[in-house]
This record gives sequence, structure tokens and C-alpha cells, in this order.
Amino acid sequence: GQNIDQPTEMTATEGAIVQINCTYQTSGFNGLFWYQQHAGEAPTFLSYNVLDGLEEKGRFSSFLSRSKGYSYLLLKELQMKDSASYLCAVPSGSWGKLQFGAGTQVVVTP
Amino acid sequence: DGGITQSPKYLFRKEGQNVTLSCEQNLNHDAMYWYRQDPGQGLRLIYYSQIVNDFQKGDIAEGYSVSREKKESFPLTVTSAQKNPTAFYLCASSTPGQGHYGYTFGSGTRLTVV
Repeated sequence: GQNIDQPTEMTATEGAIVQINCTYQTSGFNGLFWYQQHAGEAPTFLSYNVLDGLEEKGRFSSFLSRSKGYSYLLLKELQMKDSASYLCAVPSGSWGKLQFGAGTQVVVTP
Repeated sequence: DGGITQSPKYLFRKEGQNVTLSCEQNLNHDAMYWYRQDPGQGLRLIYYSQIVNDFQKGDIAEGYSVSREKKESFPLTVTSAQKNPTAFYLCASSTPGQGHYGYTFGSGTRLTVV
């Protein structure tokens, strides 16, 4: 199975940068996903990493190190609308099944 | 537009009642999933189905049942055997392609026991 750890909550001011770390232990690796979830809503896809390195997509970037079982999501130029929970997830077992971390609540303050 | 629809958005259940949550997708996805989310916790897998007429238990299947009679539909029944059903329920679908199996989620059903 998988064991996924991420911090519970992070607070940052508008315009700043926040880095959300995710560590995982898995018996077989098939990529890592990041999702954003606003309160009371469904998660939305942010990124997918399967190879080591940094992938940049606008204000959001995601990094993966397979040898260290480590990923981070970098949010730059924070906006109030970025206040949400950010979920790290890895494929688990049979085809398509995802195991999610508990999520990191990001609070953006003025 | 293609998407995944869950209904109802809010549902109230009395003690001892069975209730069914609907999930329909028109994305032509093969796989469908049901997750439960409690405050401060991540998503936990209840049941999943990779093809029609087949489904598998997830990590917390006790007190729940599903069916997959059509590719488009994957309803979840919360039975009276589920002792703590109050939660946010999310349905998702996926299909292999474009290099990853990312999910498309429905908008969720919030179930409350009254």
C-alpha cells in the first residue's frame, strides 16, 4: 500500500510563494498527482509528474524526486482565490485507483 | 459538454434508512470510483469499477453497496449498516490515455444523518 504525508495547514500572504511538500512510500511508482479542492467542492486536477524534475504551469509548479519519495507543489504570486486544500495522490494497486493524502489547507491572507 | 453528474447535492437520511446516491458520466470513461471525505481527512475509496457488471471493494466498503449495469452509471447505496454515514461523497471517472489516469470528479453529495 501507500503512505502519503503532507502538512495539515499553511498560511501565506497575498503575492507570496508557498511550497507544499508531499512524501510517499509506495511499492510501485506510477506517477504523482496534485489536486486543488475548494471547500465543499470537487477536487480539480493541477498536475501529474511521472519523471524526476520540475514541471511549470503558470503560477503553479510541481516537483518530483522518485528516489526520495518526495514531491512539492509550488504556488507563486499567491492570490486570495488560491485559498483551498491541496491534495497529493499516487496510483495504488490496480489500474486507475488513486490513494490520496489528507490534504494541505492553504490560507492566503491580505 | 462531457462531464460527471452527481445528485442530489444535499441528502438527509434518517437512522435505519437506506439511501442511494446517483453518479452519471457521459465521458465514455471505463472506470468509476466512489470516495468518502470527512473533515480534515483525505479521500477514502469505498468502491470502484473498471468495466460494466464488475466492481471491487475499496478500503472502506462496509455498509455500502454499488452496481454497474451501464457504463455511464455507478450508483452508491448507503445502507443502514453504515454506522457513521455523515460525510461528503465524491464520484470520479477515468480512462487510460494522454499519459495518465487522472480523475474527473463529480460535484459531490453531502449526506447528513438526522
